[in-house]
Amino acid sequence: SQQGEEDPQALSIQEGENATMNCSYKTSINNLQWYRQNSGRGLVHLILIRSNEREKHSGRLRVTLDTSKKSSSLLITASRAADTASYFCATTGGGADGLTFGKGTHLIIQP
Amino acid sequence: EAQVTQNPRYLITVTGKKLTVTCSQNMNHEYMSWYRQDPGLGLRQIYYSMNVEVTDKGDVPEGYKVSRKEKRNFPLILESPSPNQTSLYFCATSGGGNQYFGPGTRLLVL
Repeated sequence: SQQGEEDPQALSIQEGENATMNCSYKTSINNLQWYRQNSGRGLVHLILIRSNEREKHSGRLRVTLDTSKKSSSLLITASRAADTASYFCATTGGGADGLTFGKGTHLIIQP
Repeated sequence: EAQVTQNPRYLITVTGKKLTVTCSQNMNHEYMSWYRQDPGLGLRQIYYSMNVEVTDKGDVPEGYKVSRKEKRNFPLILESPSPNQTSLYFCATSGGGNQYFGPGTRLLVL
């Protein structure tokens, strides 16, 4: 069953601005991951945050995790045109390593 | 280099004609899975495999079969494809907390 829900579904900002996307999930998790997908292409793993972590950084990316609210946010700072893509959150939990994906946020960076 | 390969990358077929999409990984991972991606629905898991000869249904298994006779390969089989199986398919493997996806197979069933 689909667990992650990204918010907003679509986001359009000017180049140089920060972009924030949110993800909510329903059950307990082992970790939460964010992926990027350029139009029609494969998924690219961006960052993984474990359930006992609250914040993680990778370059221009900052991810937070609030397990009490069952939510995560992805912040992209100083956005670039190349950041235009769909972003998905995905969770793992329970006994299997499988991922449960949200529907994605489509991010458009306008030059 | 860690790699997940899928073939074919693009396929147009007709209703009822059996097809197989292959998936292969070179990381010796035990876990492999198949997803489909549809507009507005995100990624949904079709089947997964915890190890050789161990497979289980994901969220949307209807109309699909899989097999796992060896660790590196996890083919997805559509015995009698229908137009509602037109989609973008991803194979994935995971190990050590990391996920690796194949490049995707775009399938059109007429």
